[in-house]
Amino acid sequence: DVKVTQSSRYLVKRTGEKVFLECVQDMDHENMFWYRQDPGLGLRLIYFSYDVKMKEKGDIPEGYSVSREKKERFSLILESASTNQTSMYLCASSLVWYNEQFFGPGTRLTVL
Amino acid sequence: GENVEQHPSTLSVQEGDSAVIKCTYSDSASNYFPWYKQELGKGPQLIIDIRSNVGEKKDQRIAVTLNKTAKHFSLHITETQPEDSAVYFCAASIPLIMYSGGGADGLTFGKGTHLIIQP
Repeated sequence: DVKVTQSSRYLVKRTGEKVFLECVQDMDHENMFWYRQDPGLGLRLIYFSYDVKMKEKGDIPEGYSVSREKKERFSLILESASTNQTSMYLCASSLVWYNEQFFGPGTRLTVL
Repeated sequence: GENVEQHPSTLSVQEGDSAVIKCTYSDSASNYFPWYKQELGKGPQLIIDIRSNVGEKKDQRIAVTLNKTAKHFSLHITETQPEDSAVYFCAASIPLIMYSGGGADGLTFGKGTHLIIQP
């Protein structure tokens, strides 16, 4: 079975802190994605990567950056956390572009 | 970019009845339409998907229909059971070769439907 793991289930940070969210997949998938999930807004794509060191902006990239140095790992970085970035963050991976995405369990980030 | 509308936001049905969730999309280039189920405390999980060269697909109690002319697709769950209670998301995707970069068009999700199965 494909497994997508995220470094933390719950995270509490202070405004202005730099925050790293880590995601690892174990099935050699080409594509990896970061979404945020908010009540009433569904899942919104922040960034995705279709190859090592490659990244593309999604719907809401402002305030975020990403890093993909190895195929299995995709990191989401909040350079200076703000309260409006309090949310559930979901990582996903897929073998090919328009195919099943496998999601991690999510990280619930609270910024105080 | 692609815009996906999903209705209803909440759906309550009696156990054993059928449930239908509807989605519309805006980009005629979209050609892949998955449905995901998210249970409490978990990430979404694919339950069925359909591609634009197919009008209907079934998997046991679950079926999806696609009308490309009208740009809408629907999820049908028959003989609902308590374990069907969850949030369901539809999504639409355009081919990567058509992706222009700099914004929205990867997999665009609807806002979700909270399905409640009443015993």
